[in-house]
Amino acid sequence: DTGVSQDPRHKITKRGQNVTFRCDPISEHNRLYWYRQTLGQGPEFLTYFQNEAQLEKSRLLSDRFSAERPKGSFSTLEIQRTEQGDSAMYLCASTNRENEQFFGPGTRLTVL
Amino acid sequence: QQQVKQSPQSLIVQKGGISIINCAYENTAFDYFPWYQQFPGKGPALLIAIRPDVSEKKEGRFTISFNKSAKQFSLHIMDSQPGDSATYFCAATLYSGAGSYQLTFGKGTKLSVIP
Repeated sequence: DTGVSQDPRHKITKRGQNVTFRCDPISEHNRLYWYRQTLGQGPEFLTYFQNEAQLEKSRLLSDRFSAERPKGSFSTLEIQRTEQGDSAMYLCASTNRENEQFFGPGTRLTVL
Repeated sequence: QQQVKQSPQSLIVQKGGISIINCAYENTAFDYFPWYQQFPGKGPALLIAIRPDVSEKKEGRFTISFNKSAKQFSLHIMDSQPGDSATYFCAATLYSGAGSYQLTFGKGTKLSVIP
């Protein structure tokens, strides 16, 4: 069990640029979640995949955000035309059969 | 609308003491209540969890107490150690109907254990 991995760990970008983050879940987990965590707050749900299907999206996920999970393995989260308000930690989690969610280390995004 | 309220916001405990963090929830449909531990710059790590058919669960120095009628649950850390210094989040989840068991988190408690 190598755990959930995320890449990159840190990303600094200028406002208006596009960014893409990657998440590799635990290999036998077919369910995957993305969350966003701002400073001093708990993580907030963004979106959910079961295998390759994106089954649920939060109202937090504006049309500038898109997520994919091709072939039901790794997932990507893209933010287009980044804004300073997008600065946050983006967390990925995958779940076992008991619905326990295991988080990756996160990608810290800073938009200048 | 904050569905899970956590207190206190910060907590200082002496080494060897008991740390107690409380959470209250509003939605009676929640059916799974985990606690996560997060160190700076890291992702949250699952610590211990409970389901509402159980009033208490203990794993090592960590105990969850659950009061279904009061819609409250708490984390007790016995014999607190400096290495326990971290931010602790309570959470709750329910089946959304669309397939997910998304977690709703409290705002966190920053625990500092002093020697």
